Amino acid sequence: KNEVEQSPQNLTAQEGEFITINCSYSVGISALHWLQQHPGGGIVSLFMLSSGKKKHGRLIATINIQEKHSSLHITASHPRDSAVYICAAARGTYKYIFGTGTRLKVLA
Amino acid sequence: DGGITQSPKYLFRKEGQNVTLSCEQNLNHDAMYWYRQDPGQGLRLIYYSQIVNDFQKGDIAEGYSVSREKKESFPLTVTSAQKNPTAFYLCATRGAIYNEQFFGPGTRLTVL
Repeated sequence: KNEVEQSPQNLTAQEGEFITINCSYSVGISALHWLQQHPGGGIVSLFMLSSGKKKHGRLIATINIQEKHSSLHITASHPRDSAVYICAAARGTYKYIFGTGTRLKVLA
Repeated sequence: DGGITQSPKYLFRKEGQNVTLSCEQNLNHDAMYWYRQDPGQGLRLIYYSQIVNDFQKGDIAEGYSVSREKKESFPLTVTSAQKNPTAFYLCATRGAIYNEQFFGPGTRLTVL
């Protein structure tokens, strides 16, 4: 069993839908990092959080430390949100453990 | 324009040849990382360096080598000993305040 699990693996949504991507981890962490990877391959940082909730535009990330679970929400989804979303558990100061990613496709 | 550059974006090599992937940063970050990404798998750590002239093996270091002679540069050499080198390679740095990692655009290596 992977130490960081994401669900779903693949997700197709219609434009405007509310989307939730989940990340569960089984190890102690110092923070949880949400990343976005576009088809070209480059990875962009979305959020890094160690407690509570963060919001940026249409994106919201939450984390529940006790339950070892984090969610990434996208409100009013748009085709440009189509990408792979990756959660990474930060262990200590230097090591990340990555989930396998959720491939999101938003249809116009 | 601060950031991380990796070159080239696409690289093709014949089997048995060593190849060096470039990673340069002007973020003034001490720590740098090399990851490998394969389809359906999470990123896996090859090597990391927390400071100049020091580096450590990651989870899949066999068949790879690195150097860290300058703060700005962390090149990765994929040697002929790497059994399955075709993959997407990502370089990253780590910020000092929040320990957040920042990623370069990646190099896609294909060994023919």
